[in-house]
Amino acid sequence: EIVLTQSPGTLSLSPGERTTLSCRASQSVSSGCLAWYQQKPGQAPRLLIYGTSSRATGIPDRFSGSGSGTDFTLTISRLESEDFAVYYCQQYDSSPRTFGQGTKVEIK
Amino acid sequence: EVQLVESGGGLVQPGGSLRLSCSASGFTYSRYVMYWVRQAPGKGLECVSAISIDGSSAWYADSVKGRFTISRDNSKNTLYLQVSSLRLDDAAVYFCVKSQGVTGSSDGYFDNWGQGTLVTVSS
Repeated sequence: EIVLTQSPGTLSLSPGERTTLSCRASQSVSSGCLAWYQQKPGQAPRLLIYGTSSRATGIPDRFSGSGSGTDFTLTISRLESEDFAVYYCQQYDSSPRTFGQGTKVEIK
Repeated sequence: EVQLVESGGGLVQPGGSLRLSCSASGFTYSRYVMYWVRQAPGKGLECVSAISIDGSSAWYADSVKGRFTISRDNSKNTLYLQVSSLRLDDAAVYFCVKSQGVTGSSDGYFDNWGQGTLVTVSS
């Protein structure tokens, strides 16, 4: 099983700031099969990024993903008020599909 | 527009059972691998079960193997999860999730999620 470790656990930031979230895998995630999801309180997760760097339909271009092998990042170029949420990475390279434990981006 | 609507959650005693359902619309349901993903209160996301497009094969997390059964009815565009021998640590919101296949595979990332159905386990 691929274990995903996200860091940091919590980020306290202000609107307009840039931020980078990290996701590290316990073994290589081949073919870039890494996705990112956003979850707000009381809501279902929403797909942001798939294939490491492809934005899902309707996702603004301030969200970008990068990485390869065991190290992946999600960057939000300028935080908007609606971006304060919990972010999860997920690998779909192998079974079982696994998620990181999440990074909470909160308002400073 | 893709819609996934779960139902069937509720309060159940330890050892009890429930049948969760997910009604799918807005896409060709029979062409996609489907999952159940759960989230305990204040916790992260855990895949608990998946089913192939024709229902012939299924996968279960070790934590639920032997207690949960996933199934689908492609004629009714409906996904099911029979949850039995429930334990306190099965309490969670259960999400129905559509998997978007990637090249060479019918299974991939999770592009659409239902709003979830809450299962509470308490005596």
